[in-house]
Amino acid sequence: DVKVTQSSRYLVKRTGEKVFLECVQDMDHENMFWYRQDPGLGLRLIYFSYDVKMKEKGDIPEGYSVSREKKERFSLILESASTNQTSMYLCASSTLAGGPDGELFFGEGSRLTVL
Amino acid sequence: AQKVTQAQTEISVVEKEDVTLDCVYETRDTTYYLFWYKQPPSGELVFLIRRNSFDEQNEISGRYSWNFQKSTSSFNFTITASQVVDSAVYFCALSENNQGGKLIFGQGTELSVKP
Repeated sequence: DVKVTQSSRYLVKRTGEKVFLECVQDMDHENMFWYRQDPGLGLRLIYFSYDVKMKEKGDIPEGYSVSREKKERFSLILESASTNQTSMYLCASSTLAGGPDGELFFGEGSRLTVL
Repeated sequence: AQKVTQAQTEISVVEKEDVTLDCVYETRDTTYYLFWYKQPPSGELVFLIRRNSFDEQNEISGRYSWNFQKSTSSFNFTITASQVVDSAVYFCALSENNQGGKLIFGQGTELSVKP
């Protein structure tokens, strides 16, 4: 069974803390994505990566950075967490071979609360 | 710019009713792809269907059907004889030909099916 695994389902952090959200996929997919989900706003793309060590900004990259040192792992980093980053974070992957109509496979999400 | 609008924030129906979830999109591309995803309470988005811009044929899969109309830029989703297990948040999404698999999501529609 194909899988995208996010390391933490629930996290509670304090303002100013550095936060790491980890995502691992076992499908040998080239593309990986981080989305943020908020009520009434749907999913918004934060960052994505098409290959190891590559990263591209999405629609809302401010306050975030990413790391992709290995093909299967894509980390989202909040350098200094703020309360407005309280949200559900969703990781996804897809194969480059699938082209622009390729299906995204999602993890179960990480719900982050920043106090 | 590309955009996906799901005007219905929440819909509540009684089991066995039919329900239609609306999706309207905006794009300047002539080649694009449309998707529907389901997010059950567990949180993981599940792929339901994709359509490319050259294929306006409606599709039926069991109790699910999709109506794609380029003339109105709509890609609506109908569930026939709804069941409690259909309760979820449903997202419509758009991918453009030159965007390498990035999906732009609508705001989501929360469907509640009551017994």
